[in-house]
Amino acid sequence: KQEVTQIPAALSVPEGENLVLNCSFTDSAIYNLQWFRQDPGKGLTSLLLIQSSQREQTSGRLNASLDKSSGRSTLYIAASQPGDSATYLCALMNFGNEKLTFGTGTRLTIIP
Amino acid sequence: DAGVIQSPRHEVTEMGQEVTLRCKPISGHNSLFWYRQTMMRGLELLIYFNNNVPIDDSGMPEDRFSAKMPNASFSTLKIQPSEPRDSAVYFCASSLLGVDNEQFFGPGTRLTVL
Repeated sequence: KQEVTQIPAALSVPEGENLVLNCSFTDSAIYNLQWFRQDPGKGLTSLLLIQSSQREQTSGRLNASLDKSSGRSTLYIAASQPGDSATYLCALMNFGNEKLTFGTGTRLTIIP
Repeated sequence: DAGVIQSPRHEVTEMGQEVTLRCKPISGHNSLFWYRQTMMRGLELLIYFNNNVPIDDSGMPEDRFSAKMPNASFSTLKIQPSEPRDSAVYFCASSLLGVDNEQFFGPGTRLTVL
């Protein structure tokens, strides 16, 4: 059974700093991995999708990497802004079905 | 595109009442997912459909929960009878199977059962 862990559960950094969020998983037979952000009381917004055959994806100030051999993915946020404050969730899809297994999330606060 | 649409956005009901949540997926998507989010358990997949056919309902808590997808543009999640422990945010998501399977989420329905 796939287990997904995100540590730390909460992170506070000053505005302008670069930061890395971590996602660990136990089953490396993944089809893809998605990073989402969730604002309080809102739905999930898809940020980046990495296919199993890819090592990284970039969108603006965001860069997500995938290392299946070590069971890790990272989300790098450059030049953080207060608007980046949200909960960030990683989710994995394994081969054979479309089910996403979610991590517990990292609540990020950017301090102005 | 309007994205995934869910209604109602908020629902407050009394224990024992029937609750129906609605979802309109993104046009052209052929997979639809119902999730539940609580503080204690995080995000859990309840059921998903592919081409309107239920594929996996192993996450449905019990017989009080049922889901239907009568056509490609509409799905319902019904709870009958509702209980206080059903209080949660229910999300619907859709994707295009066979392309990249990226899932897009609706804004959710916040259900409170008194």
